[in-house]
Amino acid sequence: GDSVTQMEGPVTLSEEAFLTINCTYTATGYPSLFWYVQYPGEGLQLLLKATKADDKGSNKGFEATYRKETTSFHLEKGSVQVSDSAVYFCALSKSNFGNEKLTFGTGTRLTIIP
Amino acid sequence: GAVVSQHPSWVICKSGTSVKIECRSLDFQATTMFWYRQFPKQSLMLMATSNEGSKATYEQGVEKDKFLINHASLTLSTLTVTSAHPEDSSFYICSAPARERSYNEQFFGPGTRLTVL
Repeated sequence: GDSVTQMEGPVTLSEEAFLTINCTYTATGYPSLFWYVQYPGEGLQLLLKATKADDKGSNKGFEATYRKETTSFHLEKGSVQVSDSAVYFCALSKSNFGNEKLTFGTGTRLTIIP
Repeated sequence: GAVVSQHPSWVICKSGTSVKIECRSLDFQATTMFWYRQFPKQSLMLMATSNEGSKATYEQGVEKDKFLINHASLTLSTLTVTSAHPEDSSFYICSAPARERSYNEQFFGPGTRLTVL
């Protein structure tokens, strides 16, 4: 079945550092890929998405590119802030909008130190 | 964005009792809702798909008699953990796709922490 493998956490970085969180997937067909973020005490929120190969999703300074050849969707940010501290989940769906069931990775807890 | 609420946010119960968790879409209608379970340091695992006016669809390995799902209205789905045992202790999360909205994405509740003593 479909699966998502995500970089083990936790990850601790200093403010303004470069961030990469790795995500690879296994799926039949052509899934859409998503990054969700969960801030403390809140529900998961969609951060960005990509629906086809070579698409780049971006939001709030975060970016991820759908790489079909390497089945990857790594999350990157050039300069992290303390407010980026959260848990990040990579996910896939057969729906472009993610409004069908999602398959999640294990989540990566990110802590940014001032 | 759209808002999904869950109640209660945390619950502690004795082994053998039943616990009901509510999931509400506050500003949109949701004909479908999803229930996930999250173990510590693990991924969210889909338990079931809740469909308004019809039976829920359970994922393989999920006991439908233990995890009762009722989607009685377009804004409310409930998950009842029957005869709860310590191994049912977990974080339960619901979500609902806002298909009527232009952004048409899935929105998540904040989760319910269940502890069974």
